[in-house]
Amino acid sequence: AQSVTQPDIHITVSEGASLELRCNYSYGATPYLFWYVQSPGQGLQLLLKYFSGDTLVQGIKGFEAEFKRSQSSFNLRKPSVHWSDAAEYFCALLPGTYKYIFGTGTRLKVLA
Amino acid sequence: DAGVIQSPRHEVTEMGQEVTLRCKPISGHNSLFWYRQTMMRGLELLIYFNNNVPIDDSGMPEDRFSAKMPNASFSTLKIQPSEPRDSAVYFCASSHPQGTLNTEAFFGQGTRLTVV
Repeated sequence: AQSVTQPDIHITVSEGASLELRCNYSYGATPYLFWYVQSPGQGLQLLLKYFSGDTLVQGIKGFEAEFKRSQSSFNLRKPSVHWSDAAEYFCALLPGTYKYIFGTGTRLKVLA
Repeated sequence: DAGVIQSPRHEVTEMGQEVTLRCKPISGHNSLFWYRQTMMRGLELLIYFNNNVPIDDSGMPEDRFSAKMPNASFSTLKIQPSEPRDSAVYFCASSHPQGTLNTEAFFGQGTRLTVV
């Protein structure tokens, strides 16, 4: 079955600390993977995407993600978190031509 | 480009009333999605249009929900009659396929619907 799992519902980090949000997927072929961010009252904004090639993907706002086929993971990272990064983060899989599968999201809280 | 535009941003209506949500996709995008977001169920795909044609409406909850895309720049999602359990945030998204594969979906800011 095709699925996306985000094991952490909530994560709290201090401003300036590093961040890693986990995403695991289940899919038999080459996955197309995305990370989106949703600020309160807003829509989802694309942070980065992986289609093929280099397994370390750079995105906007200083985020990066690493695709690891052996672990079926696509974890999102940021070396130093800013207070404005507080939001909900969604990992998504595109297993076919249009039907995105979204994870349940990880809500990030940033302590001053 | 202004992005995907949804209206209204907020809608409060009484149970039994008709509700119409509107969406203008990004110009040139020929794929359009309607999603519903709730705390309990997360993001659910309601319906997918390609070139103005409904391709997959398997996520539409029941006959009270209907969606149309009369042209490439406009889509509506209608709920008639509305019920309190329809309260949610409804998102419209569009994308431009590269070859046979859709690229990323671009989301509107959503319509928060409250049915009382």
